[in-house]
Amino acid sequence: AQKVTQAQTEISVVEKEDVTLDCVYETRDTTYYLFWYKQPPSGELVFLIRRNSFDEQNEISGRYSWNFQKSTSSFNFTITASQVVDSAVYFCALSEAGRSQGNLIFGKGTKLSVKP
Amino acid sequence: NAGVTQTPKFRILKIGQSMTLQCTQDMNHNYMYWYRQDPGMGLKLIYYSVGAGITDKGEVPNGYNVSRSTTEDFPLRLELAAPSQTSVYFCASRLDRGGHGYTFGSGTRLTVV
Repeated sequence: AQKVTQAQTEISVVEKEDVTLDCVYETRDTTYYLFWYKQPPSGELVFLIRRNSFDEQNEISGRYSWNFQKSTSSFNFTITASQVVDSAVYFCALSEAGRSQGNLIFGKGTKLSVKP
Repeated sequence: NAGVTQTPKFRILKIGQSMTLQCTQDMNHNYMYWYRQDPGMGLKLIYYSVGAGITDKGEVPNGYNVSRSTTEDFPLRLELAAPSQTSVYFCASRLDRGGHGYTFGSGTRLTVV
C-alpha cells in the first residue's frame, strides 16, 4: 500500500544549525513522484521540489538540498544554516503514476522551529 | 494568472447548517482535488475529479458532495455540518497524471460550532 512516513513530529534548532527532515515512502508503482511542501504559519502550501522515481540525483537549491535513495525508499530534506524564516511545517508527499486518481499522498508533516 | 482560487477564506458554521466551498482554476487543468487538513495531520483526499462531469470519492468523503459541471469549477458541498468537519480545506489542480505539478489554493478555514 502507498504510504508516506515522516517520523519526526517536531524539530527545534537554533539559527544557523543544519537540520535534516526525514521522509520514508512505500509504493508498489515503479513510476512515481515525490514532493516536498512548506506550510508557513500563514497556512498556504508552498511547493519546494518534485522528483520522479527515475532520477536519483541529489539536488541543491540555495540552502536546501534533497537526498533521494530508492534503496531505502527515502527522500530526505536538509536545510543548511537554518534561519528563523524556515520555521514552518514541512510535508513530504507521493504521487503514483499508476494511480487513476493522480492525487498526492501526504505524510503527517514535521514542524520545524528555528530559534534566533 | 490567478491559479486556484478558493472562497471563502474563513467561515464559522453552526451544527446542522450547510455551505458550499468554492474552487475555481484558470489553467485548464483536468484534475481537481479537495483535501482536508486536521491539526497535526497531513492532507487527506475528500473527493477528486479527472474532468468535467466526472467525480469520485477519496479517502474521507462522508458528509461531503462535489460536482464538476465545468473544467474551471469544483465546488465542495457540506450538508448538515458537524464539529468533526472543523478543518482547513484545500483545493488543488493539475494538468494530468504525469509528472506535472500541483497547484494549491490558499485554503478555507472552517469551524463548526
